[in-house]
Amino acid sequence: SAVISQKPSRDICQRGTSLTIQCQVDSQVTMMFWYRQQPGQSLTLIATANQGSEATYESGFVIDKFPISRPNLTFSTLTVSNMSPEDSSIYLCSAHLRTEAFFGQGTRLTVV
Amino acid sequence: SQQGEEDPQALSIQEGENATMNCSYKTSINNLQWYRQNSGRGLVHLILIRSNEREKHSGRLRVTLDTSKKSSSLLITASRAADTASYFCATDAGGNQFYFGTGTSLTVIP
Repeated sequence: SAVISQKPSRDICQRGTSLTIQCQVDSQVTMMFWYRQQPGQSLTLIATANQGSEATYESGFVIDKFPISRPNLTFSTLTVSNMSPEDSSIYLCSAHLRTEAFFGQGTRLTVV
Repeated sequence: SQQGEEDPQALSIQEGENATMNCSYKTSINNLQWYRQNSGRGLVHLILIRSNEREKHSGRLRVTLDTSKKSSSLLITASRAADTASYFCATDAGGNQFYFGTGTSLTVIP
């Protein structure tokens, strides 16, 4: 199994500012995944973070808005840039080990 | 979209009753998994069923898979208040990405 530590667990931010979310995995993993989850909705994949290369973004998400770092096989960050109230959501990081996905505890972001 | 659909969207039952939720998906899969999420926290893996399996049990959980209908069901028997959570199915088609269903919000009333 894997344990993923994600922080912050929640934050309230002013519009126009940026927030960086960090995830630390206790195992080396090839890929990490960043999701957004609107209240009461399913998970939407933002991007896949690969160590040593650019992240791969899903349709509707761009690097300028959601820059991602993946400096090593156990760590990744997601930045939500120039925030607006529409960015208020839960952000989740995930890593796969064999056939199972493990998740961080989530970051509940509120933009005011 | 390859996202699965789950029904019902919301389910409310009395403690001790059984809860059944269903998941339908669109593409061929290697396996299907069910996850649980407590009030906006991270998802926790419950059970995995492979494409060549039809039924699997784990404690009070029973999962079925019908690949011909591209559907799965999760049964929680003898429900408890602590089972209150959202439940998601996720399909693995052999690529790197899991596709999560729309989720079922389960409320177990004590």
